[in-house]
Amino acid sequence: AQSVTQLDSHVSVSEGTPVLLRCNYSSSYSPSLFWYVQHPNKGLQLLLKYTSAATLVKGINGFEAEFKKSETSFHLTKPSAHMSDAAEYFCVVSDLTGKLIFGQGTELSVKP
Amino acid sequence: EAGVVQSPRYKIIEKKQPVAFWCNPISGHNTLYWYRQNLGQGPELLIRYENEEAVDDSQLPKDRFSAERLKGVDSTLKIQPAELGDSAVYLCASSQQGLYTEAFFGQGTRLTVV
Repeated sequence: AQSVTQLDSHVSVSEGTPVLLRCNYSSSYSPSLFWYVQHPNKGLQLLLKYTSAATLVKGINGFEAEFKKSETSFHLTKPSAHMSDAAEYFCVVSDLTGKLIFGQGTELSVKP
Repeated sequence: EAGVVQSPRYKIIEKKQPVAFWCNPISGHNTLYWYRQNLGQGPELLIRYENEEAVDDSQLPKDRFSAERLKGVDSTLKIQPAELGDSAVYLCASSQQGLYTEAFFGQGTRLTVV
């Protein structure tokens, strides 16, 4: 069965410093992987997705993620954090039927 | 393009009362999902439709929850009777059929059972 583990429940960075949100997945086949962001009282918004093409995936708002099969990881990064990046981030894996399986989420705080 | 529309945004009810949520997916999206998100946790799938057919309802508490998607478009999710533990955000999402397709989410309905 597919599963995803977000290694940090909370990450705090200063504005202008890099962001790293870690995600490991478990899958018996080549997975579809996604990162979603959820701002307070807002719906989930897709940041980026991996679909077995390029291993380095670029998303919106300067985020990117790298698929590493050998490490079963799909970490989300951004070179320079902005105050507006403060939100909850979810790593998601899709199984063969299209069912989305969410991680527990990582809350990102950005300090001025 | 209009996104996924859910109503109501907020609902407060007393326990043992019924409640219903409504979802209008993105036009042309055959797949519709209902998720429940408890505070501080990731969303968990309740039911997934492909057109009118419920293809995955293994996580739906069928003793009190029901859902329907008439004509393969709009969907309703009902709870009867509601319990205190049902307090959560109920999210609707839709996608095109097939693998590697992302789901688009509505803003959710925040249910509080008192």
